[in-house]
Amino acid sequence: ETGVTQTPRHLVMGMTNKKSLKCEQHLGHNAMYWYKQSAKKPLELMFVYNFKEQTENNSVPSRFSPECPNSSHLFLHLHTLQPEDSALYLCASSQVSRDTYRNEQFFGPGTRLTVL
Amino acid sequence: AQSVTQLDSHVSVSEGTPVLLRCNYSSSYSPSLFWYVQHPNKGLQLLLKYTSAATLVKGINGFEAEFKKSETSFHLTKPSAHMSDAAEYFCVVSEVGFKTIFGAGTRLFVKA
Repeated sequence: ETGVTQTPRHLVMGMTNKKSLKCEQHLGHNAMYWYKQSAKKPLELMFVYNFKEQTENNSVPSRFSPECPNSSHLFLHLHTLQPEDSALYLCASSQVSRDTYRNEQFFGPGTRLTVL
Repeated sequence: AQSVTQLDSHVSVSEGTPVLLRCNYSSSYSPSLFWYVQHPNKGLQLLLKYTSAATLVKGINGFEAEFKKSETSFHLTKPSAHMSDAAEYFCVVSEVGFKTIFGAGTRLFVKA
């Protein structure tokens, strides 16, 4: 496997279900990101992990819970979601250091989530 | 505060004609700027990036962009559109730390 992979590619869940999205990067990067992409809205950054520590949480509701067990894996745990949470969830990774912010991000193919 | 504005939500061109996708930004510091492309049901792919080196940046698939500080613009161009260029394009500005802002996107349609 190369690049950034995401599983599952498609997920349909009810509002009372609990599910998890998985992201894995094979690029040796030290930062990973979760984005939400909804129709007709700009891409929204949800969470950032740098060296496995969460460095950014953009006011995301608590029904979304990220987990980063190591620098290669990132999860997004979902529970009691709402229909408006239906979207494409994209994972990305990049290599960053204290001296640079010029970090190009490499994206996975996304998980298409539908909440019924 | 930083922001990115993609001036056109949709652009339609004929195959073989030039492409121009416009992007303006505002930034408190010296930003890095990127263009990404997203084909249907796919993730975003980096087209090109500007990181304070040459102001004219060449990317993949024949795309290029010119950084114009005086105009705070970073427009994406291609001399001749191909059907496979039909996709959504995102202009992105990145500043200190992990502050990365995506534009709303421009959908490019290519007519045969």
